[in-house]
Amino acid sequence: QVQLQQSGPRLVKPSQTLSLTCAISGDSVSSNSSAWTWIRQSPSRGLEWLGRTAYRFTWQNDYAVSVESRITIDPDTSKNQFSLHLKSVTPEDTAVYYCARGLIASTLGAAFDIWGQGTMVTVSS
Amino acid sequence: QSVLTQAPSASGTPGLRVTMSCSGSNSNIGDNYVYWYQQLPGTAPKLLIYRDSQRPSGVPDRFSGSKSGTSASLAISGLRSEDEADFYCASWDDSLSGWVFGGGTKLTVL
Repeated sequence: QVQLQQSGPRLVKPSQTLSLTCAISGDSVSSNSSAWTWIRQSPSRGLEWLGRTAYRFTWQNDYAVSVESRITIDPDTSKNQFSLHLKSVTPEDTAVYYCARGLIASTLGAAFDIWGQGTMVTVSS
Repeated sequence: QSVLTQAPSASGTPGLRVTMSCSGSNSNIGDNYVYWYQQLPGTAPKLLIYRDSQRPSGVPDRFSGSKSGTSASLAISGLRSEDEADFYCASWDDSLSGWVFGGGTKLTVL
């Protein structure tokens, strides 16, 4: 079955870049029926969609307006994974970060059907 | 502040029925499907309802979803103690060009 395994540092200093990786098993990052997504969760902001990368004959990225100037989501086809890079972080970026598979043109609609285990990232000096 | 509005808490007695709501606008719920997720303590959200009212394989038929206009509802019948969790609604927002979530409803089974 499809599984997502997250990795990355749990502590990031203010003004630095937060980077997390999500390794995919059981599916392909190049699948044309999946959008590989990052979502975060904090007590102050709740669940917040950050963005996604998807392959539609070329790579397409969509980012949330709230972070679009600071975020990059990169696919890595050689390792079948995708990464989140969020630069210039502040304590407001402290949250649990999840990677997820968003479906496209599926019988399940556009659901986030598979989630990573979550990574608690703290932004602090 | 979440784009979709949910009551912060709900409660019910085992065996009975509880409903929770999710309110949005024409740019999200009014024009797009609603999805519901259940989050047990310390775990990632799990898909509960897709396309307003459909249940994925493995989700009991005690869970049901509905939508009318710019609001959606999740109902749980035959309430069980293991249903205690946080429930979130989600929808695509055309104005924001992104997914939006509700703030979540924490369900307590009395």
